[in-house]
Amino acid sequence: GEDVEQSLFLSVREGDSSVINCTYTDSSSTYLYWYKQEPGAGLQLLTYIFSNMDMKQDQRLTVLLNKKDKHLSLRIADTQTGDSAIYFCAESINNFNKFYFGSGTKLNVKP
Amino acid sequence: GAVVSQHPSRVICKSGTSVKIECRSLDFQATTMFWYRQFPKQSLMLMATSNEGSKATYEQGVEKDKFLINHASLTLSTLTVTSAHPEDSSFYICSATVGASGGYGYTFGSGTRLTVV
Repeated sequence: GEDVEQSLFLSVREGDSSVINCTYTDSSSTYLYWYKQEPGAGLQLLTYIFSNMDMKQDQRLTVLLNKKDKHLSLRIADTQTGDSAIYFCAESINNFNKFYFGSGTKLNVKP
Repeated sequence: GAVVSQHPSRVICKSGTSVKIECRSLDFQATTMFWYRQFPKQSLMLMATSNEGSKATYEQGVEKDKFLINHASLTLSTLTVTSAHPEDSSFYICSATVGASGGYGYTFGSGTRLTVV
C-alpha cells in the first residue's frame, strides 16, 4: 500500500521556525494535507495543497511540495509553545475517500 | 464550519462487553463517514468507510463482525466494538465529508479513547 513517512520528533525553541518533513511513495496523490493533533484530541486540519501546486502559504504556515522527490514539508514561522503537538501529513489518492497518514511528528517547543 | 461530534470521549469497559461509539455531523449531512483507529505513537489507520443506508466497507484485516458499523441517517454513524478485548484498547476517530469536493471537505471528530480491562 501507500507509504507516508515522517521523522518522529522535532524540538525547537520558541520564536524559531519549525520545518516538518514528509515523504510519500504514490505519485498519483491528489491532495496532501497537514493535520495537528493535540494530546487526547482529534485531528485538526491545518492546511492542504493540491498536487499540481508547489507552495502554499497561510499566515505562519508554509507548505512546500516537491513532486519529483515526493517530498512535502510544513514550515511554521515564529513557533509558539501552543504549537506543541503531533503533526501528521496525509495524502489522498484519486479516490478522495481514503487518507493515508504518516506516523506523525511530535513537535516540542521549548520556551 | 463543519463540525463532527464524537461520543463518548473516553470509555472503560470490561472484557467481553460491547461498546458503542457515536459520530454525528452537527451542521451538515454526511453521506460518507470514516472510522480510524490509532494505536499509541502510531498513525491513524482507516478501518472502514460508512455509507448511509448501505453496508460499510471494511479495510483488509478489519473484522466486520467485531467492529459493527451502522450509518442509519445522514448525520449519524455508530461503531460498536463487540466482545471487547484488551487489545481493542485504542483511540478511535471518525471523520465525515460534506461531499465529493476534495479532501479538504473532511472533518474529524475529537476521538474516543477506549480502554478494555
